[in-house]
Amino acid sequence: RKEVEQDPGPFNVPEGATVAFNCTYSNSASQSFFWYRQDCRKEPKLLMSVYSSGNEDGRFTAQLNRASQYISLLIRDSKLSDSATYLCVVTSNNNAGNMLTFGGGTRLMVKP
Amino acid sequence: ETGVTQTPRHLVMGMTNKKSLKCEQHLGHNAMYWYKQSAKKPLELMFVYSLEERVENNSVPSRFSPECPNSSHLFLHLHTLQPEDSALYLCASSQEVAGAIYNEQFFGPGTRLTVL
Repeated sequence: RKEVEQDPGPFNVPEGATVAFNCTYSNSASQSFFWYRQDCRKEPKLLMSVYSSGNEDGRFTAQLNRASQYISLLIRDSKLSDSATYLCVVTSNNNAGNMLTFGGGTRLMVKP
Repeated sequence: ETGVTQTPRHLVMGMTNKKSLKCEQHLGHNAMYWYKQSAKKPLELMFVYSLEERVENNSVPSRFSPECPNSSHLFLHLHTLQPEDSALYLCASSQEVAGAIYNEQFFGPGTRLTVL
């Protein structure tokens, strides 16, 4: 079983649509959770952290369910510029500091 | 230069060549990382350096050899690579703070490597 699992997509949605991605993780000791965004042929960049209480940043809402070990990302009112691959990331802490484990990413394509 | 830079951006090499990838961070961070991103696979952590000391070697073949001469520079020396080593190699840095659960990692643009 993959440590962090995501539906690779692609999700093709029209502008203005609401789209949701889910991610599951296998390590129950994981401590921190994030969504990164990676544009085509670019490096990943942190989109937002994910907290148990849920958090919102503009059109983006992230949720964490520790009991079920899944993380979600909701994007409202999709824009063309939201087209990218969204990477689910979890961390565990060991002697080497915080280690990021990445999911394979979910590709989103927003069409006019 | 700002952020994390990597050179070269593209590299094509034969299986018998020796080459090096370079990463430089201009953020004053104390930890640096090498990741590998292959097509249709998640990013894989290869090496971690914290305060110029290697603290993680994620079962990477010996044909990949990292070097961290100081906290701002990180190299990945390559020799006798295989075609399956073709991938995007990403460098990242972070400021590790004792006791913090997570310190954001900032990525460079990557080196796209093709092994013929």
